[in-house]
Amino acid sequence: DAGVTQSPTHLIKTRGQHVTLRCSPISGHKSVSWYQQVLGQGPQFIFQYYEKEERGRGNFPDRFSARQFPNYSSELNVNALLLGDSALYLCASSYAGGRSYEQYFGPGTRLTVT
Amino acid sequence: AQTVTQSQPEMSVQEAETVTLSCTYDTSESDYYLFWYKQPPSRQMILVIRQEAYKQQNATENRFSVNFQKAAKSFSLKISDSQLGDAAMYFCAYRSDSAPNDYKLSFGAGTTVTVRA
Repeated sequence: DAGVTQSPTHLIKTRGQHVTLRCSPISGHKSVSWYQQVLGQGPQFIFQYYEKEERGRGNFPDRFSARQFPNYSSELNVNALLLGDSALYLCASSYAGGRSYEQYFGPGTRLTVT
Repeated sequence: AQTVTQSQPEMSVQEAETVTLSCTYDTSESDYYLFWYKQPPSRQMILVIRQEAYKQQNATENRFSVNFQKAAKSFSLKISDSQLGDAAMYFCAYRSDSAPNDYKLSFGAGTTVTVRA
């Protein structure tokens, strides 16, 4: 079975631009979470979606938004990019949205903002 | 908010020997989960081991075991018989067992483990 997939693998953007990152969860999983991992730090929680509804949001500005589609795939959108948005963006899927359901991570998208 | 602290930025171990990574956390909750994740240079975050706070018995997965001290809020990872493939960044993570905070993982800053041949 395929694991969590993310696209693109890498991308380079300029300050002020917009970016869309994509994630496909493991088949049968209904929840997707997004994390930002700045170089040398641990991942920071951004969003969780379950059954197409936002279930939780971390301490990120409104420039960050996300959505989940009927097939449970997800997009993370970041507007008005800043240099500080340069990071590895990780997507994790789980069967459901909380408690004991394990989160399985994808390989990440490396975003560089210049 | 829960905070997770990993005080060892780097650890080095000789192949076949044992290394212990430390993790402490701060929470007022009584029910929660603790995890150790491994992130090799390939970036894929892989779950190594998981501990439920209500279980007194320490979790073990093959060469990986934890020492969970709930009162001290300590959760260390021991890697026995270290192998070259164990070289990676290791993250300690916390997740609440109570809604509405049970949806997210809170990670420490990580410990880089190098294995000497």
